[in-house]
Amino acid sequence: SYVLTQPPSVSVAPGQTARITCGGNNIGSKNVHWYQQKPGQAPVLVVYDEIDRPSGIPERFSGSNSGNTATLTISRVEAGDEADYYCQVWHISSENYVFGTGTKVTVL
Amino acid sequence: EMQLVESGGGLVQPGGSLRLSCAASGFTFSSYDMNWVRQAPGKGLEWVSYISSGGTTVYYADSVKGRFTISRDNAKNSLSVQMNSLRAEDTAVYYCAREVGPASDAFDIWGQGTMVTVSS
Repeated sequence: SYVLTQPPSVSVAPGQTARITCGGNNIGSKNVHWYQQKPGQAPVLVVYDEIDRPSGIPERFSGSNSGNTATLTISRVEAGDEADYYCQVWHISSENYVFGTGTKVTVL
Repeated sequence: EMQLVESGGGLVQPGGSLRLSCAASGFTFSSYDMNWVRQAPGKGLEWVSYISSGGTTVYYADSVKGRFTISRDNAKNSLSVQMNSLRAEDTAVYYCAREVGPASDAFDIWGQGTMVTVSS
């Protein structure tokens, strides 16, 4: 099965930049999506197809993807960005969607 | 407003069955592929099942294959999952989620979730 590995936690000061990685075999060949989930709430799509943002998502959220690592970058971090973040891809050979292990972002 | 509302969760004994439903509103349900995703208490997201817009293609996670059946009724704007032979490890919040569309398989609309507890 296909595994997506994320760091369990990332800490960042307000106004700084948070980078959340998502590692997977040749993930650069796949379309990667990112979700934000706050406690007790459903996930929210923040970046899809590596670089696109749904309407209403700030430009502070951006993505990149190359080789074996995809990255979600949150610029000018705010207290409201504190949440769990998950990456996701479609793994065609197993006909499965796969979510990353999740990263808890803490704003110091 | 585009919305998904799940129902049908509850407490069930191991080996039992449960049927979850997801009511869609505010968009043309029949045009979108749909999914079920679950989250065990304190754990990460786990994709469960997919169904194409017309209901002709379905996929399942290995963990539920042979026990869960996804279906949809486009006339009633409704998505369902029949869960049989339930196990303790199926305990989770179950979300239904809509895919963006033909150009992307990201999940852009999620329901609020319904809790399933499998315990004796």
